[in-house]
Amino acid sequence: QSALTQPPSASGSPGQSVTISCTGTSSDVGGHNYVSWYQQHPGKVPKLMIYEVSKRPSGVPDRFSGSKSGNTASLTVSGLQAEDEADYYCNSYGGSNNLNVFGTGTKVTVL
Amino acid sequence: QLQLQESGPGLVKPSETLSLTCIVSGGSISTDYYFWAWVRQPPGKGLEWIGSIYYTGSTYYNPSLKGRVTISVDTSTNHFSLKLSSVTAADTALYYCARDNSGYGSFDYWGQGTLVTVSS
Repeated sequence: QSALTQPPSASGSPGQSVTISCTGTSSDVGGHNYVSWYQQHPGKVPKLMIYEVSKRPSGVPDRFSGSKSGNTASLTVSGLQAEDEADYYCNSYGGSNNLNVFGTGTKVTVL
Repeated sequence: QLQLQESGPGLVKPSETLSLTCIVSGGSISTDYYFWAWVRQPPGKGLEWIGSIYYTGSTYYNPSLKGRVTISVDTSTNHFSLKLSSVTAADTALYYCARDNSGYGSFDYWGQGTLVTVSS
């Protein structure tokens, strides 16, 4: 079971947008609409930001949005704020035998 | 408010079995549709799903760890457990327990994590 591929880093200035990609295969990202995204600040517990590709849990700002095309999912953070600086991980359902697989993680820096 | 708390030894010797428990409070582990998972994170590295269990006892494991992982659930005491056998230094990590609210990787509640070091 290989980890989903994310870029190691991404950055943007305050107020700008940043988009993070998450590339898998037709067995995971491309085969199901069950991609989730997690935000993790240093030394903190991961926080669910997006589930089922584009749904936001209660309390997550609408600056965070998700989408998917083929085998690649994306997380976009609009109107970047200093507190958005964190590591972001995608996760995809991989079918009944490979229930879950995480991405490699992306460090977002707010310039 | 649902809370999860991991507990277990912080130091395990190579080749031995790592054992952790996750106590769930503020909600029932026997609730339909919720899965209970273990996720780990080696120091400075990314997240890795270890496995999940449903309250009925159905289990799902990461194929890369299968054969070494056992996850069990005790509905009477509202906790679930992880055993990882034949550990090596590569198993040194922060181990989290978490609730998957759908069975499809939506981990909405997490424990604080417990660091397990594999060393002689």
